Amino acid sequence: AQSVTQLGSHVSVSEGALVLLRCNYSSSVPPYLFWYVQYPNQGLQLLLKYTSAATLVKGINGFEAEFKKSETSFHLTKPSAHMSDAAEYFCAVRSFGNEKLTFGTGTRLTIIP
Amino acid sequence: GAGVSQTPSNKVTEKGKYVELRCDPISGHTALYWYRQSLGQGPEFLIYFQGTGAADDSGLPNDRFFAVRPEGSVSTLKIQRTERGDSAVYLCASSLNQGANTEAFFGQGTRLTVV
Repeated sequence: AQSVTQLGSHVSVSEGALVLLRCNYSSSVPPYLFWYVQYPNQGLQLLLKYTSAATLVKGINGFEAEFKKSETSFHLTKPSAHMSDAAEYFCAVRSFGNEKLTFGTGTRLTIIP
Repeated sequence: GAGVSQTPSNKVTEKGKYVELRCDPISGHTALYWYRQSLGQGPEFLIYFQGTGAADDSGLPNDRFFAVRPEGSVSTLKIQRTERGDSAVYLCASSLNQGANTEAFFGQGTRLTVV
């Protein structure tokens, strides 16, 4: 069985401040982990993915995430928030040999001017 | 080229009616997925096609839900005897092939409202 938990359904940060969105996973086999972003009235867009190569993964729009097996975490960070980062962010897990993604409940990121 | 296209973008139907939701994947993508996203939740897996066949339909909630992909391209999700609890955004995604390293591209979804 696999699952993800996103702590904080809503996160607000000031423009220019650090963005930290938390994701913890549960998987009985080595996982593949993903972060997706969903802008209003748009489809999900892949930000970055971890597939057992480097533990620090860099994605689009300045985001990155670090896979920490000991903490079963895959938190998403960005050093300096932009107004355009306001969106809903989903963490997802897929296990080897399993084609389906299991998503977390999402975190809505608000940027304060 | 075009991304994943879903039609209609919005559908309002009466309880008990039958609905069909259509997904046009990216050309050449062999894998196609359907997910359902209820308000305030993350997407939940419904079914996965590899080519024309449903490789995993374990997420379909009951026998009122059915999906087809007869020619290995366009897919239709069919819901019979709709219930108010079926109201959600139905998302379709496609990928070039299978495997965890493959990126799935999502459509904008069909918002289904059952009244």
